[in-house]
Amino acid sequence: EPEVTQTPSHQVTQMGQEVILRCVPISNHLYFYWYRQILGQKVEFLVSFYNNEISEKSEIFDDQFSVERPDGSNFTLKIRSTKLEDSAMYFCASREDGGTYEQYFGPGTRLTVT
Amino acid sequence: AQTVTQSQPEMSVQEAETVTLSCTYDTSESDYYLFWYKQPPSRQMILVIRQEAYKQQNATENRFSVNFQKAAKSFSLKISDSQLGDAAMYFCAYRSADAGGTSYGKLTFGQGTILTVHP
Repeated sequence: EPEVTQTPSHQVTQMGQEVILRCVPISNHLYFYWYRQILGQKVEFLVSFYNNEISEKSEIFDDQFSVERPDGSNFTLKIRSTKLEDSAMYFCASREDGGTYEQYFGPGTRLTVT
Repeated sequence: AQTVTQSQPEMSVQEAETVTLSCTYDTSESDYYLFWYKQPPSRQMILVIRQEAYKQQNATENRFSVNFQKAAKSFSLKISDSQLGDAAMYFCAYRSADAGGTSYGKLTFGQGTILTVHP
């Protein structure tokens, strides 16, 4: 069964460093998402991406964040200068076009900023 | 903006018994989708069940069923014959139906309910 994959599973970085989190969505999906979950808290929407551009973003998704689909398969989230409060689980999700098609989530990347 | 509220931070149930997890939401939209996701200790997000707001019939998936009360904006999850593997955090989530308009299908999640299953 097709699945969303994410790499790395765990990333440790120092404050101020740039990180890139990678996702490979399901191949026929057209909508892509990033969500964040700080430990013990709810899952929060960051950004959605469709037709090679950002379609919606939350207040969390400030200038420090960017997303890219560099080729036909990868979908990346970049944090330019990490802060301690960026420590969280980051989930990528994708879905097909139309209807009630649900979002399929990847296993997440745990980001730890020290 | 839509909000989703899960008022039960924790729930527990005996194996083989039934448990109901509560969820309420606030929206001015008439058409939308509601979901329950399960998050086990691995933290993978797994879809349990979904409900289309335009459908009056409550969704059912094996041991999982929902009680969808549109007027009351309530969407509870019932787990029958609970199993040890059901132990997880459960999230209720809302999605607008207008995926091509102001919302591109983002999910709005509740705070989650930790479910413990006792043998």
